[in-house]
Amino acid sequence: RKEVEQDPGPFNVPEGATVAFNCTYSNSASQSFFWYRQDCRKEPKLLMSVYSSGNEDGRFTAQLNRASQYISLLIRDSKLSDSATYLCVVVDSGGGADGLTFGKGTHLIIQP
Amino acid sequence: DAGVIQSPRHEVTEMGQEVTLRCKPISGHDYLFWYRQTMMRGLELLIYFNNNVPIDDSGMPEDRFSAKMPNASFSTLKIQPSEPRDSAVYFCASSLGSPSRAPREPLHFGNGTRLTVT
Repeated sequence: RKEVEQDPGPFNVPEGATVAFNCTYSNSASQSFFWYRQDCRKEPKLLMSVYSSGNEDGRFTAQLNRASQYISLLIRDSKLSDSATYLCVVVDSGGGADGLTFGKGTHLIIQP
Repeated sequence: DAGVIQSPRHEVTEMGQEVTLRCKPISGHDYLFWYRQTMMRGLELLIYFNNNVPIDDSGMPEDRFSAKMPNASFSTLKIQPSEPRDSAVYFCASSLGSPSRAPREPLHFGNGTRLTVT
């Protein structure tokens, strides 16, 4: 059974701090990875893809560690508006939507 | 541009009643997904369609659940009879191309329907 595990948190972080959290996956054949963001009582939205070499989008950095089978998301200079649940998504090689597995999410709270 | 549109936003019903959730995907998107989200189980894929054809319904909990996509711009998820354990947020999502094959298009989610069965 495919597993995607995330620390549910909540992570309580002061504004301006750096925060990072991981997502582990069990299927070594997993092909692609994403981070989605979900605000309270809203729908998930794509935050960023995760590339093998790691990638950055402003204050956000995503990295992949295939050897240890985890991906990470780092947020620098955190803002109050970063408070949300961050969902890890793992895509397997089989194709089709059954290759798309969501983690349960990590809840982040940025405190003033 | 209009995103994925779901209705109703909230539904409160009594156990045993029929519930119908509706979804209009983004125009031109050829994949449509129904997800259910609960605190305990997170986001679970129920069923998905490609070009209006159901591809995988293995996530549908039981025969009480059924989904249809009569045309490219409309889909329904029906629960009959509903039970309290069906209480959850139901999301519809669409994508242009499969999200699991290159170029791995993102899913676009609707606002969800919050279902409460008493």
